[in-house]
Amino acid sequence: GAGVSQTPSNKVTEKGKYVELRCDPISGHTALYWYRQSLGQGPEFLIYFQGTGAADDSGLPNDRFFAVRPEGSVSTLKIQRTERGDSAVYLCASSPSRQGETQYFGPGTRLLVL
Amino acid sequence: DAKTTQPPSMDCAEGRAANLPCNHSTISGNEYVYWYRQIHSQGPQYIIHGLKNNETNEMASLIITEDRKSSTLILPHATLRDTAVYYCIVLRTGRRALTFGSGTRLQVQP
Repeated sequence: GAGVSQTPSNKVTEKGKYVELRCDPISGHTALYWYRQSLGQGPEFLIYFQGTGAADDSGLPNDRFFAVRPEGSVSTLKIQRTERGDSAVYLCASSPSRQGETQYFGPGTRLLVL
Repeated sequence: DAKTTQPPSMDCAEGRAANLPCNHSTISGNEYVYWYRQIHSQGPQYIIHGLKNNETNEMASLIITEDRKSSTLILPHATLRDTAVYYCIVLRTGRRALTFGSGTRLQVQP
């Protein structure tokens, strides 16, 4: 079946602009995660949704970052007033909670802030 | 979650077994060992996980020492497509967020 999809695959923006990154999880997966991966490093947790609610947002770096999942499926990560340091690959993952913590990752959105 | 230590890089000849070590000396009794890998320009991929018993699936085997302070991921017959960064992650029961370290970059040589 279809895996996790993320759009756009690449996004170039200018410093100070607002961006939205979209994640379509695997159908039926109740848990959804966002991670950020800087060049040469491992992914870094940002936020986790169980259904529509953010169960853990401890990884969001500051209040410029916000994520929603209004209907419990698609999620959008929103970044306000982008900074050059926000440049990274943003990864989304989903999991069927009943199977524990196996997370299925999408290909990521590569964000470049000029 | 307990911290993990992995060698930064390893080489393996195609067709041979790749043995990737991980040290997690501060692991607690309720923490699982997970392995993911990340092929270049792709998202991480789950490989295997275990608590204290050795585990095997179609991708790999996981050997956990009796004291659980270290583990080894074994790819029995490495292929060029196994070239990737391999992450060993310790995760407490009930916790969701994966904490990735720097991983081991495995290069499978023809």
